[in-house]
Amino acid sequence: KNQVEQSPQSLIILEGKNCTLQCNYTVSPFSNLRWYKQDTGRGPVSLTIMTFSENTKSNGRYTATLDADTKQSSLHITASQLSDSASYICVVGRTGGFKTIFGAGTRLFVKA
Amino acid sequence: DAGVIQSPRHEVTEMGQEVTLRCKPISGHNSLFWYRQTMMRGLELLIYFNNNVPIDDSGMPEDRFSAKMPNASFSTLKIQPSEPRDSAVYFCASSLTSGGSYNEQFFGPGTRLTVL
Repeated sequence: KNQVEQSPQSLIILEGKNCTLQCNYTVSPFSNLRWYKQDTGRGPVSLTIMTFSENTKSNGRYTATLDADTKQSSLHITASQLSDSASYICVVGRTGGFKTIFGAGTRLFVKA
Repeated sequence: DAGVIQSPRHEVTEMGQEVTLRCKPISGHNSLFWYRQTMMRGLELLIYFNNNVPIDDSGMPEDRFSAKMPNASFSTLKIQPSEPRDSAVYFCASSLTSGGSYNEQFFGPGTRLTVL
């Protein structure tokens, strides 16, 4: 069964600290993995996209890693800011089709 | 580009009424997706179109839901009759598809639907 599981479900950190969000998937055949940031009341916005051959991708303070062998990805946020408070959604795309499988998301709260 | 445009942003209606949500995709994109998001179920794909043709509507919950894309710049999602359990945020997204599945989707701001 094609699934994407994210952990933790929610996380509270202090401003300036680093954090890492996890994504495990069982989607097959795998095409790509994306991380989205969704602010409250807004639509998701793409942070990174990685294909099978890519191990890491950065976007400013956001760095995503991908281990296609273990089917795991992580999103690392460096020097967190209050504006990083949002839901982070892991999405896996399948080869040969349009369908993507969404994780339930991790809700991040950054406190001053 | 203004991005994906959705209207209305908020809709409150009574059970049994017809609801129509509208979406204008990014100009030049050839794929359009309708999603529903709730706290309980997260983001769910309802239907997607490619070149204005519905490709997969297996996510549409039941016959009360219907979607159309009469041209490349406009799509509607209709619920008739609406029920309280349809209350959710409905997102429209578009992408440029070029044969593969490596297609970033750009989301609209969503329509928050409340059915009383």
